[in-house]
Amino acid sequence: DAGITQSPRHKVTETGTPVTLRCHQTENHRYMYWYRQDPGHGLRLIHYSYGVKDTDKGEVSDGYSVSRSKTEDFLLTLESATSSQTSVYFCAIKVTDGAEAFFGQGTRLTVV
Amino acid sequence: AQSVTQLDSQVPVFEEAPVELRCNYSSSVSVYLFWYVQYPNQGLQLLLKYLSGSTLVKGINGFEAEFNKSQTSFHLRKPSVHISDTAEYFCAVKGTGNTGGFKTIFGAGTRLFVKA
Repeated sequence: DAGITQSPRHKVTETGTPVTLRCHQTENHRYMYWYRQDPGHGLRLIHYSYGVKDTDKGEVSDGYSVSRSKTEDFLLTLESATSSQTSVYFCAIKVTDGAEAFFGQGTRLTVV
Repeated sequence: AQSVTQLDSQVPVFEEAPVELRCNYSSSVSVYLFWYVQYPNQGLQLLLKYLSGSTLVKGINGFEAEFNKSQTSFHLRKPSVHISDTAEYFCAVKGTGNTGGFKTIFGAGTRLFVKA
């Protein structure tokens, strides 16, 4: 457990509404990541951050934005949710002098 | 850029039998390699990792993997599986140092079913 908390854990929302998912860490790690998990695709990187206000796009960033105004929080926003964004979203961190990622428990998002 | 291919989407096996989950990767830079396990309704947890040194890496729960640079493979093995090993397994790759970037790239996953 790397002190990662995702909220909410489950959410159902309507198409076209904005949605924000939160990832909170307690250990001040520099690197944070948002992935989505879909059957047959494994985990795909949406956005990542390498410091406060330093973020970059991953392989499936369209329709998503992120913000990191504090070291401990990394927010993922769906500006206008679509059914194709129904997925399980995982936040991860990487310790500065390590190689592997540590994952949160995931957020199951359903867009109806 | 890196990519990962897990050659089997599902692997059924009987309890106490050996199992191998196959993983191939491609990369233009040197890499770190990982296997993660995901139990139902949980996040991913690290099973083992290859950073450098010995190409045979041992992990938790009796799993091991062998890094083969010439074949760009990192196959996961266990000599005798248990019902509790039923889970989804992900192979992942990350470039080393700053030239490899900060991103970990995952394969599509292999679902291991252990039958009694």
